[in-house]
Amino acid sequence: DAGVIQSPRHEVTEMGQEVTLRCKPISGHDYLFWYRQTMMRGLELLIYFNNNVPIDDSGMPEDRFSAKMPNASFSTLKIQPSEPRDSAVYFCASSQGLNTGELFFGEGSRLTVL
Amino acid sequence: KQEVTQIPAALSVPEGENLVLNCSFTDSAIYNLQWFRQDPGKGLTSLLLIQSSQREQTSGRLNASLDKSSGRSTLYIAASQPGDSATYLCAVLEYGNKLVFGAGTILRVKS
Repeated sequence: DAGVIQSPRHEVTEMGQEVTLRCKPISGHDYLFWYRQTMMRGLELLIYFNNNVPIDDSGMPEDRFSAKMPNASFSTLKIQPSEPRDSAVYFCASSQGLNTGELFFGEGSRLTVL
Repeated sequence: KQEVTQIPAALSVPEGENLVLNCSFTDSAIYNLQWFRQDPGKGLTSLLLIQSSQREQTSGRLNASLDKSSGRSTLYIAASQPGDSATYLCAVLEYGNKLVFGAGTILRVKS
């Protein structure tokens, strides 16, 4: 398997624009996670899915953020409208089990909002 | 609220040295603890996963221990190499299914 695949790797946009980040988890993994990493706050869990269903979105910072998982092999994280403080690296990760499975991360999407 | 602390924040050692990275957590109600490695500009790579019922895990030159009652874990790296240079993060999966990360230890191994 190619691992967790994220796109785009880098995104530079202007404030107010819509941003869509994409993720393909490892085949067979039932859990998918979206994290955000910044220097100030470290790694923060935004939302996670189990079998395509959102389970916990309490980490989503504002209504401007939304995430979907229309099928087992694809998820999106959308920010609309984007703001400079959204600049961060966004990681997608997947695992086979929540309590026992290792977490496998993608290479991340580096977002810069000007 | 679970807090994960990693000490030291940064470490620089000569090649060949054995070293220990420390991780502590405030709430012992955890399912497991995981150690990750992160290279600059890259994602996190899982190194070792220790279930709450286990005391240690080993993989090659890496050994991780877990003392759940005292809220501590250590990552031991034997015979360090320049290729080990990276940021090492520990994370605990707490009841409620949230993985809480430490801030990481930046390791530099000098050749």
